[in-house]
Amino acid sequence: AQSVTQLDSQVPVFEEAPVELRCNYSSSVSVYLFWYVQYPNQGLQLLLKYLSGSTLVESINGFEAEFNKSQTSFHLRKPSVHISDTAEYFCAVSTGSSNTGKLIFGQGTTLQVKP
Amino acid sequence: EAGVAQSPRYKIIEKRQSVAFWCNPISGHATLYWYQQILGQGPKLLIQFQNNGVVDDSQLPKDRFSAERLKGVDSTLKIQPAKLEDSAVYLCASSLSGKGYEQYFGPGTRLTVT
Repeated sequence: AQSVTQLDSQVPVFEEAPVELRCNYSSSVSVYLFWYVQYPNQGLQLLLKYLSGSTLVESINGFEAEFNKSQTSFHLRKPSVHISDTAEYFCAVSTGSSNTGKLIFGQGTTLQVKP
Repeated sequence: EAGVAQSPRYKIIEKRQSVAFWCNPISGHATLYWYQQILGQGPKLLIQFQNNGVVDDSQLPKDRFSAERLKGVDSTLKIQPAKLEDSAVYLCASSLSGKGYEQYFGPGTRLTVT
């Protein structure tokens, strides 16, 4: 069965510092990978996704994630964080063998950016 | 364009009572999902509709949960009777199609069962 593990439940970091949020998945077939962000009292928003092609994907607000098939990872990075990046981040996987688009989510990582 | 609408935003009920949640997806989105997000966990899919047909309800507790999507647009999720462990945020999402397409999430309904 598919599963997603986010290795850190909380990541505190100072403003303008780099950050990495780790995500590992288990699947024996091809996958689609997603990062969603959830700001307080709001719904989830798609941050970025990997479907195929280049293994490095970027978002419009400076985040990037790299699909590593050999390590079954899809870590999220940002070279310099802002206070406004404080939120809950969820990694999710959808297997290519399924045509339903069903997402399996990790437990979430709380990113807390301190001034 | 308008986003996914959900109501109510908050609901408090006693155990063994019933409750219903409503979702209006983005216009034109064929696929609609209901997720349950328990505090401290990621969302878990309860049921997925493609138009007005059920695609996946393998994790829906069918003895107490039911859902419908009449006319392939709005959807309602019902719990009857509620248990304490049903306390969670219920998220509705929609997408143009299934695999690979972005899912757009509503703000959720926070249910507290006392």
